[in-house]
Amino acid sequence: SAVISQKPSRDICQRGTSLTIQCQVDSQVTMMFWYRQQPGQSLTLIATANQGSEATYESGFVIDKFPISRPNLTFSTLTVSNMSPEDSSIYLCSVEVGARGSPLHFGNGTRLTVT
Amino acid sequence: GDSVTQMEGPVTLSEEAFLTINCTYTATGYPSLFWYVQYPGEGLQLLLKATKADDKGSNKGFEATYRKETTSFHLEKGSVQVSDSAVYFCALSDWAKAAGNKLTFGGGTRVLVKP
Repeated sequence: SAVISQKPSRDICQRGTSLTIQCQVDSQVTMMFWYRQQPGQSLTLIATANQGSEATYESGFVIDKFPISRPNLTFSTLTVSNMSPEDSSIYLCSVEVGARGSPLHFGNGTRLTVT
Repeated sequence: GDSVTQMEGPVTLSEEAFLTINCTYTATGYPSLFWYVQYPGEGLQLLLKATKADDKGSNKGFEATYRKETTSFHLEKGSVQVSDSAVYFCALSDWAKAAGNKLTFGGGTRVLVKP
């Protein structure tokens, strides 16, 4: 198992601004993932972040809107840029802990409201 | 592509009632199947998993059996408690694919257990 800490846990932001969400893991992990959970919806993968390489984005998500950093094996950030009310969601960091094929573990998420 | 379909909620039960949440999937390979639970205000927690046909995952009184012939992974609990009130997500990952650790989620089922 792993302890995954996300900051902030929640925020209210004005449209047009940007928010950077941090994800810290208490152990080294190869793969980190960022998911979005829109209100009342399921989870959608935004991108996969591997240390030392560019993040891989899913269809419908672009780097200019959701830039990701992965400076080391225990940390990643996701920025939500130029926010609009449609970006109001819970953003979750997840990691693969252990051997390939191990289940993903999730942080508690960042609840973002854009006004 | 891969997909997961689960019964819509909310499901409202009395304490000690039997719970079933249906989940079916489509996948081109041989997926691993998971149930995650999201308690109010929290992130996702892995509840149980099954990695091959006929495997039964179990945890905290919950069970689910990987049925390849019916492409199903229904979640059951014999006697629910108020503390089981949460949103339950069925998910799959297909390790035969290059991005195998990407999780595909169902829409989630909200369960409310009343005393």
